[in-house]
Amino acid sequence: DGGITQSPKYLFRKEGQNVTLSCEQNLNHDAMYWYRQDPGQGLRLIYYSQIVNDFQKGDIAEGYSVSREKKESFPLTVTSAQKNPTAFYLCASTLGTLRTNVLTFGAGSRLTVL
Amino acid sequence: AQSVTQLGSHVSVSEGALVLLRCNYSSSVPPYLFWYVQYPNQGLQLLLKYTSAATLVKGINGFEAEFKKSETSFHLTKPSAHMSDAAEYFCAVSDPRGRRALTFGSGTRLQVQP
Repeated sequence: DGGITQSPKYLFRKEGQNVTLSCEQNLNHDAMYWYRQDPGQGLRLIYYSQIVNDFQKGDIAEGYSVSREKKESFPLTVTSAQKNPTAFYLCASTLGTLRTNVLTFGAGSRLTVL
Repeated sequence: AQSVTQLGSHVSVSEGALVLLRCNYSSSVPPYLFWYVQYPNQGLQLLLKYTSAATLVKGINGFEAEFKKSETSFHLTKPSAHMSDAAEYFCAVSDPRGRRALTFGSGTRLQVQP
């Protein structure tokens, strides 16, 4: 079955460490996204990529980095510069145009900083 | 400026009662609007979408939403709540800055009482 796989599902990190969250899709979607979810704040866009080797900052990109070397993969690195990294991170992808733009989501990765 | 507002972070209904979850958008042009549902520790699933066709949109699991331009609203309804409807619901709008992304509301958690 096609879908988006995020790993790990749960991750604990010490302050000052970088961590990388994996996102892989086998839907042949061209665009991929990372959102951060915090209680009461909905989802906020971190980074997005519309094609391989290209990506753009979203609304809260500070302290995060991404790469898009392959169409199916869009890993997110949470760096030590991110002041409050504890959150639920969601990866999504789409093949649609702006008119449809139906996002398919992964199951999420929960990061806790100790 | 916020593009989509969900009134009520928590809504509680009895099983069998009407479900009404409110969403208002702020956009100078008719947007594309979406409702997503999230079950605990999972990603988001699309319930329904409005893309300028019929103003009354029917989705999965008996949900529907009506686009009202005069009220800038896209409220989600279901005539009779079921225990399995308990989840968090997000309204989303096509990004007002022209990015190929969605902007999400802060979410409404629906509780269904037996």
